[in-house]
Amino acid sequence: QVQLVESGGGVVQPGRSLRLSCAASGFTFSSYAMHWVRQAPDKGLEWVAVISDDGRHKDYVDSVKGRFTISRDDSENTLYLHMNRLSAEDTAVYYCARITTATAAFDSWGQGTLVFVSS
Amino acid sequence: QSALTQPASVSGSPGQSITISCTGTSGDVGLYNLVSWYQQEPGKVPKLIIYEVNRRPSGVSSRFSGSKSGSTASLTISGLQAEDQSDYYCFSYATTSPYVFGTGTRVTVL
Repeated sequence: QVQLVESGGGVVQPGRSLRLSCAASGFTFSSYAMHWVRQAPDKGLEWVAVISDDGRHKDYVDSVKGRFTISRDDSENTLYLHMNRLSAEDTAVYYCARITTATAAFDSWGQGTLVFVSS
Repeated sequence: QSALTQPASVSGSPGQSITISCTGTSGDVGLYNLVSWYQQEPGKVPKLIIYEVNRRPSGVSSRFSGSKSGSTASLTISGLQAEDQSDYYCFSYATTSPYVFGTGTRVTVL
């Protein structure tokens, strides 16, 4: 079955960088656009970034543009989120999620990885 | 891109029907039939319950239904049950963002 497993979260100081990974299995990874969604403690869901199935197209929420980079390695069935210049506002659980482009709906989610930005 | 607007909370008694609104703009909800809804229990991963405004994934209860009028989408839960107590989020494709979630609604079963 479809499985998405995030890793790479942890405690990081403000201004530092972190890379999140999402290992995918159970489906043809290269056929799907993939997203990162985050949820700050006791807050709502926030869409963060998308990468197209072929990796050519990427987009970000305004608050992370220029700081975060989404990428994928289809040979390893892995999605990444490179996060630079982290601030307290980036503290959240980060989920990777698979989207079906035709429906624009997330049909599979990972369990999430917590990023805590604190000095 | 601002979040889609949802009521912070909605409550109802078991057996009743409740409706959660999701108000966007002519650039997202009003333009595309690509609205989806997610149920999130405390500490759990979101679960897709409605896609393309009113379609239910396999395995989702028929008590959940979706609709749209203009720039406002709605999720209706019929025959409210204790297990429906969760947070609910709408989500839409948008011309600018290009994706946006709603602010979220906490459903309480009285």
